[in-house]
Amino acid sequence: AAGVIQSPRHLIKEKRETATLKCYPIPRHDTVYWYQQGPGQDPQFLISFYEKMQSDKGSIPDRFSAQQFSDYHSELNMSSLELGDSALYFCASSVGLRTDTQYFGPGTRLTVL
Amino acid sequence: KQEVTQIPAALSVPEGENLVLNCSFTDSAIYNLQWFRQDPGKGLTSLLLIQSSQREQTSGRLNASLDKSSGRSTLYIAASQPGDSATYLCASNYGGSQGNLIFGKGTKLSVKP
Repeated sequence: AAGVIQSPRHLIKEKRETATLKCYPIPRHDTVYWYQQGPGQDPQFLISFYEKMQSDKGSIPDRFSAQQFSDYHSELNMSSLELGDSALYFCASSVGLRTDTQYFGPGTRLTVL
Repeated sequence: KQEVTQIPAALSVPEGENLVLNCSFTDSAIYNLQWFRQDPGKGLTSLLLIQSSQREQTSGRLNASLDKSSGRSTLYIAASQPGDSATYLCASNYGGSQGNLIFGKGTKLSVKP
């Protein structure tokens, strides 16, 4: 069965650089969630999209932005990277907001040097 | 503030034991609760999802229960195996316009051969 695809899987950036993470949801899933998991931490919700519109915003820094495109894939743009942005970034997809299981991608490991 | 707590933080058992992982949540107006497994540095694998109208869900050697009134969920693992060693996370979903998951900090399980 198709799963959530995230790219790249690993990314190394310098401080103050920018990064773009991509998420391809499971086919026919219309909702995408982004989560950040710092070292030894639980995942924290960043932002979500439903039918290409932002549906909710969590603890996402102003330096980050995201969008969902017409093909339902989503991109998380991160600018002015800081050391503390080093984390695993997960994307999850589901059908609708009031929904069943959220299926998580394998994550993108971002390292900021 | 909605919070999810997991006890214990870590658990070590010999192979073959039955065990219970606990999860509590502060807001009983839960839409559903999801249990995940996470291997070190890896993504989140969904194990079971319990809707608010359900009392329990079973999958193989796993059984999850939900008691909304007491704000508690348990994950029961029967006949544990070394391959079950991982961190287990529970996450609450309050639905509505958000639908984002609020995670506990997880229970790190080690099953010794």
